[in-house]
Amino acid sequence: DAGVIQSPRHEVTEMGQEVTLRCKPISGHDYLFWYRQTMMRGLELLIYFNNNVPIDDSGMPEDRFSAKMPNASFSTLKIQPSEPRDSAVYFCASSFGPGSYEQYFGPGTRLTVT
Amino acid sequence: SQKIEQNSEALNIQEGKTATLTCNYTNYSPAYLQWYRQDPGRGPVFLLLIRENEKEKRKERLKVTFDTTLKQSLFHITASQPADSATYLCALDDDGQAGTALIFGKGTTLSVSS
Repeated sequence: DAGVIQSPRHEVTEMGQEVTLRCKPISGHDYLFWYRQTMMRGLELLIYFNNNVPIDDSGMPEDRFSAKMPNASFSTLKIQPSEPRDSAVYFCASSFGPGSYEQYFGPGTRLTVT
Repeated sequence: SQKIEQNSEALNIQEGKTATLTCNYTNYSPAYLQWYRQDPGRGPVFLLLIRENEKEKRKERLKVTFDTTLKQSLFHITASQPADSATYLCALDDDGQAGTALIFGKGTTLSVSS
């Protein structure tokens, strides 16, 4: 398996624009997680899915953020409109289960909003 | 409030020595605790998982302890090598409940000099 795949790897956009980040989890994994990492706040969980259903989105900062998982092999994280404070590295991870299982992380998307 | 603290942001040691990293938590009751390694520009990579009823777990040069009374986990790398230089993150499952996700500490950056 190729591991968790994320695209794009880098995204530079202007404030106010819509940004869509994409993730393909490892085949067979039932859980998918979206994280955001910054120097100040570390790695923060934004939302996670189980069998394509959102389980906990309490980490989503505000309504500008939305995530979907239309099928077992694809998820998106959308920011509309983007703001400079959204600049961070966004990771997608997948696993066989929640806290009791190891998570496999993608390479991340470095987002810069100017 | 709930907190996960890793002993220091940076730890510098000499090659061959044992590195000891600390993860302390408050107001959590995790059933599992995990350690991950993160290299610059990459996603975290799973290293070890320890359960609340396990005192110690080993994998090659790595050893993890988990003391639920002290609310602390120690992560040891014996005979450290420059290739061990990376950021190490601890993570625990929120509230020890099945179906919950991982909460990550901010990490300790280890530098091993030759």
